[in-house]
Amino acid sequence: ILNVEQSPQSLHVQEGDSTNFTCSFPSSNFYALHWYRWETAKSPEALFVMTLNGDEKKKGRISATLNTKEGYSYLYIKGSQPEDSATYLCAFTNDYKLSFGAGTTVTVRA
Amino acid sequence: DGGITQSPKYLFRKEGQNVTLSCEQNLNHDAMYWYRQDPGQGLRLIYYSQIVNDFQKGDIAEGYSVSREKKESFPLTVTSAQKNPTAFYLCASSIGDSYQPQHFGDGTRLSIL
Repeated sequence: ILNVEQSPQSLHVQEGDSTNFTCSFPSSNFYALHWYRWETAKSPEALFVMTLNGDEKKKGRISATLNTKEGYSYLYIKGSQPEDSATYLCAFTNDYKLSFGAGTTVTVRA
Repeated sequence: DGGITQSPKYLFRKEGQNVTLSCEQNLNHDAMYWYRQDPGQGLRLIYYSQIVNDFQKGDIAEGYSVSREKKESFPLTVTSAQKNPTAFYLCASSIGDSYQPQHFGDGTRLSIL
C-alpha cells in the first residue's frame, strides 16, 4: 500500500478568501496524480489528472501544481464560494491502481 | 445519461450472511474497481478488473469476492469471512490506464444488524 498523505485534514475558509492544501506521495516510479472533489451525498468527481513534473492545471477557480521530484501537489481554490465546500481527494498511481489520501474537507463560510 | 449505478444505497447484513453489492456502468469502460471507505481513511482498493473475465485483488481483498462476466457489471460479494464489513463501498470505472480519471457511483452503505 503506497503512502499518500493530505494536509490539513480539514479547513474552514471565509467566502471570497483563497486557500490551498497539500498532497504528498512517493517520489519514485511516478505515473500520475489524480485530484477528485467529493461533495456530500454525491459521487467523487474528477478534477485533474497530472502527469508531468512542473505541470499546472486549472478548472475555473481551482488549480493544481505538481512536483514529482519531491513528491507533492498543491490544490488552490481562488475566491472560495459555498459551492466549493467538499472533500478533496488526491490519488497517486505507479501502475493500474490508485492509492488515495484521506482527503481535505473544505468548508466555505458565507 | 452515461454513468455508474450502484444498488442498493443502503444494505443491512446479518451475522454469517453473504451479501452482494451491484455495480453497473454504461460508459463502455474496460476497467472497473471496488473501494471501501472507513471514517478518517482514504479509499482502499478491494478488487479491480481490467477486462471481462479477469480481475485482481487489491489491498484489502480478504473476505470479498467479485465476478466480471459482462463488461457492464462488476458485482461485489461481502462474505461472512469479512469480519468488519460495516463501511461505505464505492464502485468506479475507467478507460483502463492510469492517465485517465475514474468515474464513481453514488456508493452503498453496508451495516451489520
